[in-house]
Amino acid sequence: GDSVTQMEGPVTLSEEAFLTINCTYTATGYPSLFWYVQYPGEGLQLLLKATKADDKGSNKGFEATYRKETTSFHLEKGSVQVSDSAVYFCALSSAGGTSYGKLTFGQGTILTVHP
Amino acid sequence: NAGVTQTPKFQVLKTGQSMTLQCAQDMNHEYMSWYRQDPGMGLRLIHYSVGAGITDQGEVPNGYNVSRSTTEDFPLRLLSAAPSQTSVYFCASSQLQGTSGYTFGSGTRLTVV
Repeated sequence: GDSVTQMEGPVTLSEEAFLTINCTYTATGYPSLFWYVQYPGEGLQLLLKATKADDKGSNKGFEATYRKETTSFHLEKGSVQVSDSAVYFCALSSAGGTSYGKLTFGQGTILTVHP
Repeated sequence: NAGVTQTPKFQVLKTGQSMTLQCAQDMNHEYMSWYRQDPGMGLRLIHYSVGAGITDQGEVPNGYNVSRSTTEDFPLRLLSAAPSQTSVYFCASSQLQGTSGYTFGSGTRLTVV
């Protein structure tokens, strides 16, 4: 079945540091890939997405590229801020069959950014 | 611009009690789903629906029932609450195609004592 594996956390960085959160996936066909962010006490918000190989999703300074050859969708940001402290989830949506439309999530990575 | 609305935000139940978590969306999304979020386990799919009158089980359906009588509403019923059902529950909706991503509600924090 489909699965998503995220790097172990938590991740602690200083403000303005470079961020990478690794995400790899297993799926049949050509899934859509997503990064969601969850701020404390809130629901998940869509951060960015990519729907086909080599697509780059970007939003709020975050980027991720859909790499089919390595089945990866790593999240990056060049300079993090304290306000980026949150939990980040990688997810995929299966492309068809009985799993159509369902999202499979990774375990989540807690990011803490210190001033 | 309500999006996905979940009620209640917090609930404490005694073991064996039943209750219904409400979820409503105003975006005319065909797909709706319920997840539970537990520490260290990410989000796990409980039940989902691809349209009114159609529901199916997810990864962890035991102890939960759902129905979908309208496009807008997708309530989750706990039949006989157990401490293992202590969790944060999220409802989410999307267009059926699945490429636009989900819209999540703000969650219901449930404690079963």
